[in-house]
Amino acid sequence: DGGITQSPKYLFRKEGQNVTLSCEQNLNHDAMYWYRQDPGQGLRLIYYSQIVNDFQKGDIAEGYSVSREKKESFPLTVTSAQKNPTAFYLCASLGRGGLTGELFFGEGSRLTVL
Amino acid sequence: AQTVTQSQPEMSVQEAETVTLSCTYDTSESDYYLFWYKQPPSRQMILVIRQEAYKQQNATENRFSVNFQKAAKSFSLKISDSQLGDAAMYFCAYRSAPFLEGIQGAQKLVFGQGTRLTINP
Repeated sequence: DGGITQSPKYLFRKEGQNVTLSCEQNLNHDAMYWYRQDPGQGLRLIYYSQIVNDFQKGDIAEGYSVSREKKESFPLTVTSAQKNPTAFYLCASLGRGGLTGELFFGEGSRLTVL
Repeated sequence: AQTVTQSQPEMSVQEAETVTLSCTYDTSESDYYLFWYKQPPSRQMILVIRQEAYKQQNATENRFSVNFQKAAKSFSLKISDSQLGDAAMYFCAYRSAPFLEGIQGAQKLVFGQGTRLTINP
């Protein structure tokens, strides 16, 4: 079945450590996104990529980095520069010219900084 | 930049009753998509309903329907015959229309803050 796979589902990190969240899709979608979710703040866009080897900063990109070397993969690195990294992270994808227009989401990754 | 506002952080309704969740948005574009997503305790985001701005007819999906008022920039979700499984966070979202896809950033979804819906048995 086609879909988006995020891993790990739960992750604990010590302060000062970088951590990478994986996002893989087999939907043949061009665009991929990373959102951060905090209580009471909805979903905020971190980074997005509309095509391989290209990506753009979203609204809260500071302290994060991404890469898009393959169409299927869009990993997110939470660096030690991110001041408040504890959050729920959602990856999503969108097919170009899709008739439906909506994003498809993974199941999310919960990052906790100890 | 587009913004989406959900003014009701929490709502509750009796099982089998009807509830309406509010959403307003701000945009200068004439064509766009609007969505309602549901996020149950599992945290998986599930599309509930979508509305294309060029369509005057309100979208309907079984017990879910919208009241789309383009001039007022309002997009409310009505849930009829509420069921216990409807309990979740509901997010309203905005996206530019596909013909703008070549423009950087046009494919972004902008979300509201969410409304937590509780169903009372």
